[in-house]
Amino acid sequence: EAGVVQSPRYKIIEKKQPVAFWCNPISGHNTLYWYLQNLGQGPELLIRYENEEAVDDSQLPKDRFSAERLKGVDSTLKIQPAELGDSAVYLCASSPGTGGPTDTQYFGPGTRLTVL
Amino acid sequence: AQSVTQLDSQVPVFEEAPVELRCNYSSSVSVYLFWYVQYPNQGLQLLLKYLSGSTLVKGINGFEAEFNKSQTSFHLRKPSVHISDTAEYFCAYFDDKIIFGKGTRLHILP
Repeated sequence: EAGVVQSPRYKIIEKKQPVAFWCNPISGHNTLYWYLQNLGQGPELLIRYENEEAVDDSQLPKDRFSAERLKGVDSTLKIQPAELGDSAVYLCASSPGTGGPTDTQYFGPGTRLTVL
Repeated sequence: AQSVTQLDSQVPVFEEAPVELRCNYSSSVSVYLFWYVQYPNQGLQLLLKYLSGSTLVKGINGFEAEFNKSQTSFHLRKPSVHISDTAEYFCAYFDDKIIFGKGTRLHILP
């Protein structure tokens, strides 16, 4: 069974440029998560989807970040415009349930973003 | 507010020696605790979780953790480590979502 797929794995852009990350969750998983992982820190949730509905986007900086999960399958996270402080690893995860404590999350390898 | 504290940012240990990675939690309500592992250039993987019941939780790759309510701890242990255990380990708790600690980097020395 294929795991969570993310692309690209690495991205280098100049500040003020737009950037997009793509995630394809494990087949059949209803819930999809985007996390931000700064260097030396644990991941922090940006947004959680149940099917196509964003049920928790309280930590998403909506002035420059946006996300979508059309048709409730794969998802795109966008930053426009990127800032130097956005350099980090962006992780996608999926789970078969609705995101409770018994619902195991499966993580992709992440996209490492460097903003110059 | 709930939180977890990982007391060591890095832990060096010789191959085949035992290891303990420390995690303390603070909570006044139900406690759901997890340990995740992140191998180099890979995503996170669940090692084990405590939801209720037996305080000794066994996970994958020979790891186990003990939920200690009196000491508010959930330390991760392995009796004999291998080079392949080199990774970052995250303690986490659930409070409407999973909240991760800052991580402990495990260095295996030959």
